[in-house]
Amino acid sequence: EAGVTQSPRYAVLQEGQAVSFWCDPISGHDTLYWYQQPRDQGPQLLVYFRDEAVIDNSQLPSDRFSAVRPKGTNSTLKIQSAKQGDTATYLCASSRGLQDTQYFGPGTRLLVL
Amino acid sequence: GMPVEQNPPALSLYEGADSGLRCNFSTTMKSVQWFQQNHRGRLITLFYLAQGTKENGRLKSTFNSKERYSTLHIKDAQLEDSGTYFCAAETSSGQKLVFGQGTILKVYL
Repeated sequence: EAGVTQSPRYAVLQEGQAVSFWCDPISGHDTLYWYQQPRDQGPQLLVYFRDEAVIDNSQLPSDRFSAVRPKGTNSTLKIQSAKQGDTATYLCASSRGLQDTQYFGPGTRLLVL
Repeated sequence: GMPVEQNPPALSLYEGADSGLRCNFSTTMKSVQWFQQNHRGRLITLFYLAQGTKENGRLKSTFNSKERYSTLHIKDAQLEDSGTYFCAAETSSGQKLVFGQGTILKVYL
């Protein structure tokens, strides 16, 4: 069984630029999560989906961040006009249901200069 | 206080030693997961517990929802156990994981 995959693995931006991160969850997992992990901290949930529906995006900075999962499989997280404070690793995870083990992808390391 | 408090923040062990990590929760949690984050940043799932105790090789984890804590015990530590360990608890209301701040474990020869 293939694990969660993410791309790109690394991204370096100037402030004000936009970037998109892509996640392919484990096949059959209906729940998908995006986390932000600043350096030397634990991951913090940004948004999660059940199929194509957003269940909770209360921690997503809505003015610059957006996330979609149009077909209930792959997902894209986009940052418009990145800021230095967005520098972090962005992790995607998936699970078979809302109350099940989450499996994480390798993450995308973002550096905003 | 923080919903998930993890201790210790850092731990150094000689190879072969035993030790434990602990997470305390400010409220009743539905379940807990333990992860190891390796040097490449990959989060590896170690345990998922809704209650009780689970063992896997040299690792053992306990979750006591009523007493609001979970532990991870490492036996006979090996060099490859080095990394950052996180507990993450599922809240009763939000059905989402809240992570602790992590424990940086270094195992020495």
